Amino acid sequence: SQQGEEDPQALSIQEGENATMNCSYKTSINNLQWYRQNSGRGLVHLILIRSNEREKHSGRLRVTLDTSKKSSSLLITASRAADTASYFCATAPAGANSKLTFGKGITLSVRP
Amino acid sequence: DSGVTQTPKHLITATGQRVTLRCSPRSGDLSVYWYQQSLDQGLQFLIQYYNGEERAKGNILERFSAQQFPDLHSELNLSSLELGDSALYFCASSVVNAGNTEAFFGQGTRLTVV
Repeated sequence: SQQGEEDPQALSIQEGENATMNCSYKTSINNLQWYRQNSGRGLVHLILIRSNEREKHSGRLRVTLDTSKKSSSLLITASRAADTASYFCATAPAGANSKLTFGKGITLSVRP
Repeated sequence: DSGVTQTPKHLITATGQRVTLRCSPRSGDLSVYWYQQSLDQGLQFLIQYYNGEERAKGNILERFSAQQFPDLHSELNLSSLELGDSALYFCASSVVNAGNTEAFFGQGTRLTVV
């Protein structure tokens, strides 16, 4: 079963705009990770935020985590056509057996 | 390039057949994970190995099996294939446990069962 659920399922924006994607999860987590997948290719790790962190930045990416609401958001600023891809949140549940469970993903289209 | 190598890239086979997918993890990574990605089910965790031992099991069918060899490469065996097994199969690796660090994904094997 899916642990993380992303929202919206699809997002279409103009180049230069910001893109915000959300992820909600159900159980306590060790950390939450965001991945990107270009069509038909492997997933690429973007950023990891631990359960005791609230915000993290990496280049044009900003991730927030609210453990009380069991939710996270990924913000891509000043989007580019090359950001067009599917984005997945993945959660690692608290505990020793921390396998990554992925949501169904968000399809982001950035129009040039 | 993630450093994770999967072969073959594409595989077309008939129902009832058996196939083997191969994965070479990044150098130094001890954990290997297998995922199945289909349009309707999304990315489903199948199984994890750590240093040759099974560590976690997900939604893996009994017709599927996997192993990790002493050189840390892994194989996923799919038998008695059905049309519904058509999917992208990804292997990922991480240093220890992807729950604590990032996982590196291969480019996947696209399996088509006809």
